[in-house]
Parts: sequence; C-alpha cells; structure tokens
Amino acid sequence: AQSVTQLGSHVSVSEGALVLLRCNYSSSVPPYLFWYVQYPNQGLQLLLKYTSAATLVKGINGFEAEFKKSETSFHLTKPSAHMSDAAEYFCAVSPSTSGTYKYIFGTGTRLKVLA
Amino acid sequence: KAGVTQTPRYLIKTRGQQVTLSCSPISGHRSVSWYQQTPGQGLQFLFEYFSETQRNKGNFPGRFSGRQFSNSRSEMNVSTLELGDSALYLCASTAAATGGEEQFFGPGTRLTVL
Repeated sequence: AQSVTQLGSHVSVSEGALVLLRCNYSSSVPPYLFWYVQYPNQGLQLLLKYTSAATLVKGINGFEAEFKKSETSFHLTKPSAHMSDAAEYFCAVSPSTSGTYKYIFGTGTRLKVLA
Repeated sequence: KAGVTQTPRYLIKTRGQQVTLSCSPISGHRSVSWYQQTPGQGLQFLFEYFSETQRNKGNFPGRFSGRQFSNSRSEMNVSTLELGDSALYLCASTAAATGGEEQFFGPGTRLTVL
C-alpha cells in the first residue's frame, strides 16, 4: 500500500532563510509525486510534480524538489523564504501504473515565516 | 478558462439529515475526484469518477456516495449525517485518463454538522 509521511506538522523559518519541508513515501511501484500548497479558505494549488523525468523538479514561486529513490524522499525546498510562503503544504503520491487519480496525501506541514 | 467550482461554499446541517454537494470541473476535464479534509485525519480520498463511472473508492462508509453526469459535473451525497462528517470537502478535476497529471482543486464546501 502506498503512504506518505511528512515530518514536522509545523515549521517556522525566518524571512530570507532556507525552506525545507520533508516528504517520504512508500510505494511498491514507481510513483508520481506532487507538492501542493493550501492558503486559508482555499483549495489546493500544485507547486510541482515528479513523473519520472528529471529527478530535480522546479515548480512555481521558486520552489523545487528532488526525487531520491534510494531514500524514498521528495523534499521541498526554497532558497529564501518570503512572507507570502506562509501556508500549509501537502505532499501526495499516486501510483504510476494505475489509471486512477487516487492521490494519497501526507498530513501536511504548516509553514510559518517570521519577519 | 474557469476553474473548478463547488457549490455551496458553506453548509450547516443537523445530525441525521442528508446533504448533496456539487462540483463543476474545468471544461474538457473528464475525471473528478472528491476528498474530505479534517484537522484530525487530513486529506482523505473519497472517490473518483471518469466518464460517469466510478473508477476508485476510498475507505468511507456507504453513507457517502457520488455520481457524475454526462457533462462531467459531479455530485456527492452524504446521508444520515454524523457530527464527524463536519469537514471541508474538496473536488478536483483533470483532463487525462491516466495518472500523473495535475489535479485542479476547487475551493471546497465547508460542511458543519450540528
């Protein structure tokens, strides 16, 4: 069965500091991996996705993530945090061999950016 | 292109009632998925429809049901509401028939059960 683990339900960083949000997955087949962001009272917006092309994936708003098969990780990073990055971030996995859109989401990490 | 729309945005119901939520996907998208989001359980997959057929179902009781119409619009229904059904219900759509493509999420319907 697939699963996703996000370490740290809350992360605080100073404005301008590195953002690192951790995601580890468990999947018996090569998965598709996604990072989504959710702002208050809104739906989810895709930041980036991994679909077995390049292992380093660049997304919107300066975020990127690296797929590491040996570590079963897909951590999200941003070199310099901005106040507008404060939101909740979700990692999700979907099997690559299935014709369905059943995403398994992590429990989310709420990012706080300190001035 | 208009995004995914969900109606209503907010609902208040009492225990034992039933509720129907509606989702209109992005034009041309044929896959619609539903998720329940709660502080305790996070985001949980309810079901997915593609071309009016349910392709996958999450681990929810039979009180939760859905359907999709020929224009790809989807509804989900919850019967005999329980307090624990209070949640944000998110709908997502995608154009592709197979996995790996982005799901576009609506703003959600916040259901409160009293």
